[in-house]
Amino acid sequence: EVQLVESGGGLVQPGGSLRISCAASGFTFSAYDMHWVRQATGKGLEWVSSIGTAGDTYYPGSVKGRFTISRENAKNSLYLQMNSLRAGDTAVYYCARDAGSSMDWGQGTLVTVSS
Amino acid sequence: EIVLTQSPATLSLSPGERATLSCRASQSVSSYLAWYQQKPGQAPRLLIYDASNRATGIPARFSGSGSGTDFTLTISSLEPEDFAVYYCQQRLNWPGTFGQGTKVEIK
Repeated sequence: EVQLVESGGGLVQPGGSLRISCAASGFTFSAYDMHWVRQATGKGLEWVSSIGTAGDTYYPGSVKGRFTISRENAKNSLYLQMNSLRAGDTAVYYCARDAGSSMDWGQGTLVTVSS
Repeated sequence: EIVLTQSPATLSLSPGERATLSCRASQSVSSYLAWYQQKPGQAPRLLIYDASNRATGIPARFSGSGSGTDFTLTISSLEPEDFAVYYCQQRLNWPGTFGQGTKVEIK
């Protein structure tokens, strides 16, 4: 069974940094592209970043230059380093496995940016 | 970027009624479209992939149709647990953009 467990969320001040993690199990982690998707309270789903099996990374303009996605295949782990955080980054952050026709999702970790 | 537009934003129906949700793409996505259900406090749950294939464990009352730019998710007879928000996602262009969601609420 595919399991994705996010951790590391919390309260951070504007301008601060945070790294969140995703522990994967139940599949060959290194063989799959992975994503971070976020959702602000009461809002829709927003793609945040992606990393391919070869380590290639992709970001939308809203986070490019501030967020860095990475993976550690030996530890079956996905990471998102978030710098220069803003109030608008407040959201639940989901880790997702790219299953080709769809995505498999973790339960999310809440990141709150507030003073 | 492919933009997905879902309609209506909110659908108010009673249990037992039929729900018809629409997702329109700004350009053709062939059949590379998925539907997800999301309940408060939960992660999205896959319902339909490749426009019309039900995911494992999804009840037969859920069905998807369409190709190209126009897609439909139909719930044939609403159960109490079906009241939720539904999102479509195109999978033609990686990583895949999402629609803004349709909320199915109890009338």
